[in-house]
Amino acid sequence: GAGVSQSPSNKVTEKGKDVELRCDPISGHTALYWYRQSLGQGLEFLIYFQGNSAPDKSGLPSDRFSAERTGGSVSTLTIQRTQQEDSAVYLCASSSGSSGVRGQFFGPGTRLTVL
Amino acid sequence: AQSVAQPEDQVNVAEGNPLTVKCTYSVSGNPYLFWYVQYPNRGLQFLLKYITGDNLVKGSYGFEAEFNKSQTSFHLKKPSALVSDSALYFCAVRENTGGFKTIFGAGTRLFVKA
Repeated sequence: GAGVSQSPSNKVTEKGKDVELRCDPISGHTALYWYRQSLGQGLEFLIYFQGNSAPDKSGLPSDRFSAERTGGSVSTLTIQRTQQEDSAVYLCASSSGSSGVRGQFFGPGTRLTVL
Repeated sequence: AQSVAQPEDQVNVAEGNPLTVKCTYSVSGNPYLFWYVQYPNRGLQFLLKYITGDNLVKGSYGFEAEFNKSQTSFHLKKPSALVSDSALYFCAVRENTGGFKTIFGAGTRLFVKA
């Protein structure tokens, strides 16, 4: 596609429910990242995928968070048993090149609100 | 572990004046350094990067940044600020180790007053 797309754009859920956030990276980009941006805060790295390598999950805040990337393309971030502190904008980004130094292309984000 | 610091939460500057947004970093080895901008109600956009070579790199919208290895800094600059430059600016660093993990600073909000 022309850019990184994310769905849904907004998600309101009740505390304790599970949610799935989707990211479609730019076609051909081998690296995919998930970040979280809380209100008034910077970007918090969550996880990244690079090709077929094992993902770097070091930024996931708890075991309620998980992510998959199927076929080296689409990625899904799953949050189980959501809590109010999970409310944030979840950003996906992808990058290309042998070293990924052309910068990351960000999607518009999914705004998650946990009531 | 790599880290990025943006010491100023907010920078205020008058239109037409030069602006500087500060960034310092800590990595093992040589860094890849980036600046991103987030305009109100818009997504993050890549602004410029330093990989190797000239310490002064030029990017979009007239911005430039100076890499200073001895001070481990990568300050963003523009000779003449515009009101439309008002936005949230993020510095980011990635280690030159083959991976892609990128750490972002907390962001600096730039206000340019007419």
